[in-house]
Amino acid sequence: GAVVSQHPSRVICKSGTSVKIECRSLDFQATTMFWYRQFPKKSLMLMATSNEGSKATYEQGVEKDKFLINHASLTLSTLTVTSAHPEDSSFYICSARSTGYQPQHFGDGTRLSIL
Amino acid sequence: AQTVTQSQPEMSVQEAETVTLSCTYDTSESDYYLFWYKQPPSRQMILVIRQEAYKQQNATENRFSVNFQKAAKSFSLKISDSQLGDAAMYFCAYRSATNAGNMLTFGGGTRLMVKP
Repeated sequence: GAVVSQHPSRVICKSGTSVKIECRSLDFQATTMFWYRQFPKKSLMLMATSNEGSKATYEQGVEKDKFLINHASLTLSTLTVTSAHPEDSSFYICSARSTGYQPQHFGDGTRLSIL
Repeated sequence: AQTVTQSQPEMSVQEAETVTLSCTYDTSESDYYLFWYKQPPSRQMILVIRQEAYKQQNATENRFSVNFQKAAKSFSLKISDSQLGDAAMYFCAYRSATNAGNMLTFGGGTRLMVKP
């Protein structure tokens, strides 16, 4: 089946640093990738949708300058949390889809902890 | 905008018994997809079952089946012969078949506990 790899799985860093999370589709071409944020015991909240070669579309309330998304190839999207602060600590999950009618396949998530 | 509601924050089932998780949704569209995802403690999102709205027949995947009531906008998940490994968070999700974004809208989730 389709495999999406997300890296790193866990990151702990100091406040003020920037953190990059990678999402790769290993065996299919992902024309669209999605980034979600999940708070403890809560549902997934869509942050942004990115199509290969285009600027990401951010959901209302998500700061595009804080959460930089790049989808430069059909197999890789990155989320960079810039100048991270403790309130950015969360679980971030990516998903990828080949075409509009295909289901989304999820990465294993990244637990981000900002000290 | 579409909304997905899971009215049961927690459910409990005895091992080998059957449990039904509820999901309702609101949409003005006629063509869409519905999904149930499982998120175990590892937090990996696992697709359990998928239903196309144009299909009247309820989807089934081994011990998992759905009761799709389009007019009532209801999409419940039935787990038969529950196993300890079924314990997880379950999320119902909606996706438009016509909207260009085709993103998933998730319900709030139901935590399923399986008692041995």
